Amino acid sequence: KAGVTQTPRYLIKTRGQQVTLSCSPISGHRSVSWYQQTPGQGLQFLFEYFSETQRNKGNFPGRFSGRQFSNSRSEMNVSTLELGDSALYLCASSPTNYEQYFGPGTRLTVT
Amino acid sequence: ELKVEQNPLFLSMQEGKNYTIYCNYSTTSDRLYWYRQDPGKSLESLFVLLSNGAVKQEGRLMASLDTKARLSTLHITAAVHDLSATYFCAVMIYNQGGKLIFGQGTELSVKP
Repeated sequence: KAGVTQTPRYLIKTRGQQVTLSCSPISGHRSVSWYQQTPGQGLQFLFEYFSETQRNKGNFPGRFSGRQFSNSRSEMNVSTLELGDSALYLCASSPTNYEQYFGPGTRLTVT
Repeated sequence: ELKVEQNPLFLSMQEGKNYTIYCNYSTTSDRLYWYRQDPGKSLESLFVLLSNGAVKQEGRLMASLDTKARLSTLHITAAVHDLSATYFCAVMIYNQGGKLIFGQGTELSVKP
């Protein structure tokens, strides 16, 4: 079974731009969660989607948004990028809430 | 505010030695996860602990959970260099959906 895939793997953007990251979960998994990892704040929960509905949201500004499609693929969008948005963005898929399988991550650098 | 705290945050060990990483959390949860992360890489699942008293072992690593004390431990036996990595514990919290709250991570360096 293929694992969680995330695209792109690396991204460089300029302050003020927007970015869209993509996550394809493991086949059959309907829950997709997003996490941000930075050296200063560690690993923080962004949001979780299940069957195209956002069930849970972390404490991030409205510039961070996401969605899930009918095939369970998910995208997250960050608008008006700030330097502090530079991070590793991890996507995790889950068949239930029991186990979460993490993708390789997207490394975003904002200059 | 829910907190998950690990200690130590940095651990330098000699090969062959034993050590324990502690993970304390501040809210009720019966699901505790341990992950390993190598530099520049994603999270690799090590253990999922689902109930009080749960103990799991894989190779030189053993994890346990005490839900009454809100404490999990990751014990390293006879450390080898390949175990050098950052180890995270995380607690699953449910509010309609589930989300993981992570500890700060313990950076482990095993020296020959």
